[in-house]
Amino acid sequence: NAGVTQTPKFQVLKTGQSMTLQCAQDMNHEYMSWYRQDPGMGLRLIHYSVGAGITDQGEVPNGYNVSRSTTEDFPLRLLSAAPSQTSVYFCASGHRGVLETQYFGPGTRLLVL
Amino acid sequence: QQQVKQSPQSLIVQKGGISIINCAYENTAFDYFPWYQQFPGKGPALLIAIRPDVSEKKEGRFTISFNKSAKQFSLHIMDSQPGDSATYFCAAAVFYNTDKLIFGTGTRLQVFP
Repeated sequence: NAGVTQTPKFQVLKTGQSMTLQCAQDMNHEYMSWYRQDPGMGLRLIHYSVGAGITDQGEVPNGYNVSRSTTEDFPLRLLSAAPSQTSVYFCASGHRGVLETQYFGPGTRLLVL
Repeated sequence: QQQVKQSPQSLIVQKGGISIINCAYENTAFDYFPWYQQFPGKGPALLIAIRPDVSEKKEGRFTISFNKSAKQFSLHIMDSQPGDSATYFCAAAVFYNTDKLIFGTGTRLQVFP
């Protein structure tokens, strides 16, 4: 049971480049989400999914795409990176409506130059 | 617009002292208030949570106090220990729709021996 795994741990991008942040869980959780964490801003929800094939927007979805083709994986795509997307990104998973089962991954630190 | 306001931004407490972190919310539809603890380089982890049907919830050295009329809630850490040094986030959600958690901006707690 690996919990929630995120790759890569750290990434440097140039403005305009694209990349995918990977998130996987092996706990058969239906709910998965992506947050970004910025100094003085706390954590802000980007996108979330309540099951395979179902995604929805959070507070700050612009500039990010997601898809959920399997229960285990929930990748976050940046199509054209901007310096404003420099942040630490956390993926979380849990059983829907049961926050006590929600686990956060270790995070991906992204620097956009 | 920050829906959940958290203070202070940082807090320094001596070992054995009481740490107090405060949060205020605006949306009266919120009825579930969790607190998260985050150590450097790690994702947040659920610490304790409260619903507004009670004014206080205690788990070990951690206590949440809730004031529904003032729309405020706070975390008290009794007998603070150096191992409690971390960043703490309050959050709010609608209990039957915890898909969208709204986080406060975080408080960095340092406990010195």
